[in-house]
Amino acid sequence: DIVMTQTPLSSPVTLGQPASISCRSTQSLVHSDGNTYLSWLQQRPGQPPRLLIYKISNRFSGVPDRFSGSGAGTDFTLKISRVEAEDVGVYYCMQVTQFPFTFGPGTKVDIK
Amino acid sequence: EVQLVESGGGLVQPGRSLRLSCTASGFTFGDYHMSWFRQAPGKGLEWVGLIRSKPSGGTTEYAASVKGRFTISRDDSTSIAYLQMNSLKTEDTAVYYCSRGPRAYDYWGQGTLVTVSS
Repeated sequence: DIVMTQTPLSSPVTLGQPASISCRSTQSLVHSDGNTYLSWLQQRPGQPPRLLIYKISNRFSGVPDRFSGSGAGTDFTLKISRVEAEDVGVYYCMQVTQFPFTFGPGTKVDIK
Repeated sequence: EVQLVESGGGLVQPGRSLRLSCTASGFTFGDYHMSWFRQAPGKGLEWVGLIRSKPSGGTTEYAASVKGRFTISRDDSTSIAYLQMNSLKTEDTAVYYCSRGPRAYDYWGQGTLVTVSS
């Protein structure tokens, strides 16, 4: 199975300041079709997961442009350019390149 | 508007069965793979299994932790995906979510809580 790790696991951030989360996989996430199926999801307290980014860097509909994704192969990053109060929650990376689909452990983002 | 609504959760004794439903609307259900995920209380997300669209064969894949106990099926005429859970264990206690695929799980339901306890 592909194991996903995230750092940091907790990220206290000042409002208006940037935040960055790293995600690493134990195998390349490049699919045989040439795409890399790495997504980022946000889970606000008491809410279901919400897709932010898919295929490394594609923002899903309605996601603010302060969220951006980058990376390749086994190393990926989610960046929030200026954290807002509504960004509090847990962020997960997820790979759907290979079965079983797997998630990172989650990074909790809260406000200092 | 795309909507996914899970239902069927509840309290069940270990060893018993439960069937969850995921009712979809706002899109052509038959065109999409459907996955089930779960989240144990206070824990992270876990993929449970997937059913491919009929044009892609309608076949299924499962996580090792549920293989042989859980079965996913679909009824494209009613836009419902099912998760049949047999031989339930206490460690299956979780909120269960459905989401549509195959490669960007873009919409998620609110989830349904399954509690396995005697």
